[in-house]
Amino acid sequence: VELVESGGDLVQPGGSLRLSCAASGFNFDNYLMSWIRQAPGKGLEWVANIKVGGNDKYYVDSVKGRFTISRDDAKNSLFLQMNSLTVEDTAVYYCVRLGGDLGRLGDLWGKGTQVIVSS
Amino acid sequence: DIQMTQSPSSLSASLGDRVTITCRASQGITNYLAWYQQKPGEVPKLLVYAASILQSGVPSRFSGSGSGTDFTLSISNLQLEDVGTYYCQRYNGVPPYSFGPGTKVEI
Repeated sequence: VELVESGGDLVQPGGSLRLSCAASGFNFDNYLMSWIRQAPGKGLEWVANIKVGGNDKYYVDSVKGRFTISRDDAKNSLFLQMNSLTVEDTAVYYCVRLGGDLGRLGDLWGKGTQVIVSS
Repeated sequence: DIQMTQSPSSLSASLGDRVTITCRASQGITNYLAWYQQKPGEVPKLLVYAASILQSGVPSRFSGSGSGTDFTLSISNLQLEDVGTYYCQRYNGVPPYSFGPGTKVEI
């Protein structure tokens, strides 16, 4: 049972990145999924989540209109398309399965992928 | 959005001590409160949910309590492996299921 993120990189301000998360060992299409980020030396920030089926999505205000979360249940994959990146988006991005109580708890975390936005 | 605060922001204690971390929500969240532990260099791990229920495998020296707006996480008989940062998270209603700013526990 694991989540493996990829796609993190060094990118210039204004650039774009697409993060991917490959899930294995569980029924991916039974779970809400989320992206949670952690800036260097800082706490955890809920970025976006997507419900089963992919039609219901939520974004934190600071990324609305710039980030798009999506999922491919046939390929057990979660994605985060990030556009118009700013230095404030620099962080480790975790792919997180939402399970447990009400299906809203981060009960499985990937190791994270590093996004650095810098000129 | 509901804001979560924690106190203290950091603490230093001795092996075997009992430590208590407080989390406060800006609005009532009944008991929809979770605690996560993040050890240095590791990913967060779910410790407690529904304010007081230990996740499977979590040592019984951890305990959670509270409801409404005020919650606590206690660690009795503090061990070396408990060093890390502890985050509370609310998960009532709609997202964002925001986290507190964290409490760093040192020995």
